[in-house]
Amino acid sequence: DAKTTQPTSMDCAEGRAANLPCNHSTISGNEYVYWYRQIHSQGPQYIIHGLKNNETNEMASLIITEDRKSSTLILPHATLRDTAVYYCIVRAPNRDDKIIFGKGTRLHILP
Amino acid sequence: DAGVIQSPRHEVTEMGQEVTLRCKPISGHDYLFWYRQTMMRGLELLIYFNNNVPIDDSGMPEDRFSAKMPNASFSTLKIQPSEPRDSAVYFCASSLLRGEKLFFGSGTQLSVL
Repeated sequence: DAKTTQPTSMDCAEGRAANLPCNHSTISGNEYVYWYRQIHSQGPQYIIHGLKNNETNEMASLIITEDRKSSTLILPHATLRDTAVYYCIVRAPNRDDKIIFGKGTRLHILP
Repeated sequence: DAGVIQSPRHEVTEMGQEVTLRCKPISGHDYLFWYRQTMMRGLELLIYFNNNVPIDDSGMPEDRFSAKMPNASFSTLKIQPSEPRDSAVYFCASSLLRGEKLFFGSGTQLSVL
């Protein structure tokens, strides 16, 4: 898997947009960007993924730069329940069976 | 669907005892993964199966660990003998096909005294 770099931790005020960056400068053409999060005492949960176009679902938006070397996960209106560790992963779905998790970003939503 | 089901939720045992963790994947999912999580090492992949066959067990720490998947709806991770350093949260996950998103269970919190 291509390596990703994420900040260790971030704070965001409740109700504001949380923007979580991820660098993946060695990403290859067939690798997608995936985001998972892990709320305390729970298993990781899939959020969103994308190849090169921006993606949006009910949980978040994913913005991928044109050169695909970095991306940003956006939680548009963060709530206290969004406090979690967020993992950015690059993976080629037609090649990689498994997912290797890094350290992720610990996001604290402040009341 | 009930999701991935793991049991027990918590396990406390003494060093040297055998420990068996259980997992029921989502029905119809072809892939099953076992992960271990500690503060020091984060989330580590131990082993994964495709259609009940072990594909990659390179993450299994040592011979004390073994995993089986006798059928499509059940898998076990066994530690014999257990040691205090095995204390961790063990997660099971499944996915429908290669490259699909993973669904995780709630984990088993293992404490070896």
